Amino acid sequence: DTGVSQDPRHKITKRGQNVTFRCDPISEHNRLYWYRQTLGQGPEFLTYFQNEAQLEKSRLLSDRFSAERPKGSFSTLEIQRTEQGDSAMYLCASIEPGGGEQYFGPGTRLTVT
Amino acid sequence: KQEVTQIPAALSVPEGENLVLNCSFTDSAIYNLQWFRQDPGKGLTSLLLIQSSQREQTSGRLNASLDKSSGRSTLYIAASQPGDSATYLCAVRPRGDSSYKLIFGSGTRLLVRP
Repeated sequence: DTGVSQDPRHKITKRGQNVTFRCDPISEHNRLYWYRQTLGQGPEFLTYFQNEAQLEKSRLLSDRFSAERPKGSFSTLEIQRTEQGDSAMYLCASIEPGGGEQYFGPGTRLTVT
Repeated sequence: KQEVTQIPAALSVPEGENLVLNCSFTDSAIYNLQWFRQDPGKGLTSLLLIQSSQREQTSGRLNASLDKSSGRSTLYIAASQPGDSATYLCAVRPRGDSSYKLIFGSGTRLLVRP
């Protein structure tokens, strides 16, 4: 257990539905990251927050995706109108002030049917 | 654009064998490099982090080396055990990127046979 938690661990949804995932980082970590990992590939960066500010979004993050970190603590990632191509593992990570090692959560496995 | 490659994509060895996993990156301007382990369907567990100024790091049976100028890192696993079976990922943090995001390779799937 790295101290980063994610919920739910698994989500099965039908195409067109909206889904929301939650990440709770290590409490003193001010930076929070979302990555997406498809089968057989390494994780790819989606977006990150420093405290409550979303500072960078990857081109992978289409307008159907939105992420928030309202109080600089937990974060949510919402996918609207899910598509089969959204099926993946969504990983959250956090890092302490000043940088260093990234700590990853257990991930949320999304399956879109 | 930084790209990270891991070779081989898969590896099967008998228990007890020493083995080397390879990671290469195209841009030597990195801040650090991290090796992770991922069990099937699980998140990432950090194994070793090497700063750009370091040449190697060791933890138990694991030793990671870094040759920044040639864009290469290796993860050496001594006396492999069936419990080492997992996917091993390397990731670099590009220097000068204020986001501190990681760029990952596709991983090496390791199977250690009893």
